[in-house]
Amino acid sequence: KQEVTQIPAALSVPEGENLVLNCSFTDSAIYNLQWFRQDPGKGLTSLLLIQSSQREQTSGRLNASLDKSSGRSTLYIAASQPGDSATYLCAPRMDSSYKLIFGSGTRLLVRP
Amino acid sequence: GAGVSQTPSNKVTEKGKYVELRCDPISGHTALYWYRQSLGQGPEFLIYFQGTGAADDSGLPNDRFFAVRPEGSVSTLKIQRTERGDSAVYLCASRSRGGSIQETQYFGPGTRLLVL
Repeated sequence: KQEVTQIPAALSVPEGENLVLNCSFTDSAIYNLQWFRQDPGKGLTSLLLIQSSQREQTSGRLNASLDKSSGRSTLYIAASQPGDSATYLCAPRMDSSYKLIFGSGTRLLVRP
Repeated sequence: GAGVSQTPSNKVTEKGKYVELRCDPISGHTALYWYRQSLGQGPEFLIYFQGTGAADDSGLPNDRFFAVRPEGSVSTLKIQRTERGDSAVYLCASRSRGGSIQETQYFGPGTRLLVL
């Protein structure tokens, strides 16, 4: 059974810092992995999707990497802003299924 | 529509009652998912539809939970004899078919269910 762990569970940083969110998964037989953002009381917004054959994806100040063999993904946020404050969730999709398996998320607070 | 919509946005009910939660996916999306999110946790998969049929219902916790998608568009999640432990946010997502960009699941805002 796939298990997804996200570290840290919570993070508070001053504005402007670069930061890294970590995601690990126990079963490397994944098809792809998505990073989502969730604002309080809202649904999920997809940030980046990495196929299993890719090593990284970039979108603006966000960069996500994937090391499938070691079961790890990281989300790098450059020059953080207060508007980045949210919960960040990673979710691998297994080869054998269309469902996503979510971690518990990292709650990020960027202080002005 | 522009995105996935879910109704109601909030639902308060009493233990033992029956509830229905509705999801309208993005027009043309053939795949539809239901997830449940408890406080402080990530979403947990409940059921996946491809068209009208449930392709994977392995996440439904017990037989009190049932979902339908009769015309391959709107879906309804039905919960019978609700229990306090059913209180959570129920999220719906839809996805198109084929291609890496279209692999993305698009989520609705969720229905917050509170069972008293």
